[in-house]
Amino acid sequence: DAGVTQSPTHLIKTRGQHVTLRCSPISGHKSVSWYQQVLGQGPQFIFQYYEKEERGRGNFPDRFSARQFPNYSSELNVNALLLGDSALYLCASSGGLLNSGNTIYFGEGSWLTVV
Amino acid sequence: AQSVTQPDIHITVSEGASLELRCNYSYGATPYLFWYVQSPGQGLQLLLKYFSGDTLVQGIKGFEAEFKRSQSSFNLRKPSVHWSDAAEYFCAVGARSGYSTLTFGKGTMLLVSP
Repeated sequence: DAGVTQSPTHLIKTRGQHVTLRCSPISGHKSVSWYQQVLGQGPQFIFQYYEKEERGRGNFPDRFSARQFPNYSSELNVNALLLGDSALYLCASSGGLLNSGNTIYFGEGSWLTVV
Repeated sequence: AQSVTQPDIHITVSEGASLELRCNYSYGATPYLFWYVQSPGQGLQLLLKYFSGDTLVQGIKGFEAEFKRSQSSFNLRKPSVHWSDAAEYFCAVGARSGYSTLTFGKGTMLLVSP
């Protein structure tokens, strides 16, 4: 079975532009989360979606938005890009919630560079 | 709010020597605990996890971790390090209620010398 797949793997954007990152969870997984990892730091939680509903949101500005589709894939959108948005964006999937004994698996990430 | 501290930013270990990476957490109760490894330019791979039960947890690649409630710690160990273990290691906690999100430490970079 394929793991968590993300696209694109690398992209370069200009300040003020918009970006869409895509994620396909592991087959059968209904929960998708997004994390931002700035160089030299640990990943920081952005959003969690479970059963197509937003279940959690981290401390990120409204320029960040996401959605989950009926097939459980997900998109992360970032508007009005800033230089500080340059980071590795990680998508994670799990079969359900942690308190049901589920494990969170991560994709390889999308490297975003804002110039 | 939960938090994770990994006090060592870098650690250098000789190949074949033992390894211990430290992790301390702050949380109102016992959280779920994880160790992930990240090779350069890669995503995160799960090494092991603690949900409940036996406080000594075995993981992949010969790693183990021990949960010590009294010290709020979840240190990662390996008896003999291989050059391929050079990577960045992240400790993470997950809440037992509410959203299933992870809070990560800042990571420890492991360098392996010949």
